[in-house]
Amino acid sequence: ETGVTQSPTHLIKTRGQQVTLRCSSQSGHNTVSWYQQALGQGPQFIFQYYREEENGRGNFPPRFSGLQFPNYSSELNVNALELDDSALYLCASSQQGFEAFFGQGTRLTVV
Amino acid sequence: RKEVEQDPGPFNVPEGATVAFNCTYSNSASQSFFWYRQDCRKEPKLLMSVYSSGNEDGRFTAQLNRASQYISLLIRDSKLSDSATYLCVVNGKEGGSTLGRLYFGRGTQLTVWP
Repeated sequence: ETGVTQSPTHLIKTRGQQVTLRCSSQSGHNTVSWYQQALGQGPQFIFQYYREEENGRGNFPPRFSGLQFPNYSSELNVNALELDDSALYLCASSQQGFEAFFGQGTRLTVV
Repeated sequence: RKEVEQDPGPFNVPEGATVAFNCTYSNSASQSFFWYRQDCRKEPKLLMSVYSSGNEDGRFTAQLNRASQYISLLIRDSKLSDSATYLCVVNGKEGGSTLGRLYFGRGTQLTVWP
């Protein structure tokens, strides 16, 4: 196991709601990245946090936001959910941007 | 143009076959290269890093050609348990990231049949 844990594992929300996903990084890792993976596609980079600061962002709207805490765990928040936000959300931890280790993901369904 | 391009397959091969996956990337300044494996509805798992000199791990061999911006993965003597999606991954420093971040191909699906 990678030591990266995500919660919850599954979630169903209705359009317009807000959601918070959580990730605990692997011990010793100070960088957390979040990815969205739609069915049949590779993971798409949302953003990355390094030492509690956002360090790079992909092509996602501002309603996708995040936090990293002093213990390097992280949250992904999505406001005003849309149907297209339904996907597997993956958190990956690494040591300063090198090879990443993934949590099991949160499968979000927006109805 | 996507940063990382892969043939999505699917590749269907019998046990014991040799199968090769190819991948190209667009950013010549990319620093690190990886192959990840993803089983159905699971998270990606690091299979191996890819080095310029080429590297081998048992039945798996990875090659990198920086001049052509091309990465390959060769699986010899395929096993049923090799059935999965193989993701080509490149670490680059776009998107405002000082550390570099991972760009994923869409994955190549492999099914090994008995």
